[in-house]
Amino acid sequence: GAVVSQHPSRVICKSGTSVKIECRSLDFQATTMFWYRQFPKQSLMLMATSNEGSKATYEQGVEKDKFLINHASLTLSTLTVTSAHPEDSSFYICSAIPRGPRKSGAFFGQGTRLTVV
Amino acid sequence: DAKTTQPPSMDCAEGRAANLPCNHSTISGNEYVYWYRQIHSQGPQYIIHGLKNNETNEMASLIITEDRKSSTLILPHATLRDTAVYYCIVLNQGAQKLVFGQGTRLTINP
Repeated sequence: GAVVSQHPSRVICKSGTSVKIECRSLDFQATTMFWYRQFPKQSLMLMATSNEGSKATYEQGVEKDKFLINHASLTLSTLTVTSAHPEDSSFYICSAIPRGPRKSGAFFGQGTRLTVV
Repeated sequence: DAKTTQPPSMDCAEGRAANLPCNHSTISGNEYVYWYRQIHSQGPQYIIHGLKNNETNEMASLIITEDRKSSTLILPHATLRDTAVYYCIVLNQGAQKLVFGQGTRLTINP
């Protein structure tokens, strides 16, 4: 199946700093990528839809100024957690759907575990 | 998109078939049933999807009832590596974003 790669897989940062997470589709193009957050023992929560060349669409309750999303190319979307606080510690996951007729579902990255200390 | 209902947890013996049910009684005619799974601390993995016919691939089989109000994911010979949370999601073919429910935590026992 298609491969989606996230980097880094783990990051620890100090409170007040910003962290950037990259999501790349390695062998296909994706006009749309999605960002999720998952707290321990909970399901994935959709944060935003990232569209190539345009502004991201955020889900209700997600602060767009805190979670900056950039989708500069058909294979790369980035999520920047600005002024991170301990409550932002979570597992962040991206997904992408290949362009063209859908033959399968979305493909997910391996996730990034963010710990803010 | 239609809501789905899944049991919170299930157990299955290694080597046996694991049958995971999903209810989606409000599904509409153009909505597909998708199944994903998430192994601990990893991103979700696509398993299979279908509209109304039964589907089979190298990972699993999907059985959809004739009225399409429920479906069953079958892992024919479960292994310990199949221990994961399994999510059933109903999605319009034209839609893109996946919204996850609580899923079923499947534990395969030796």
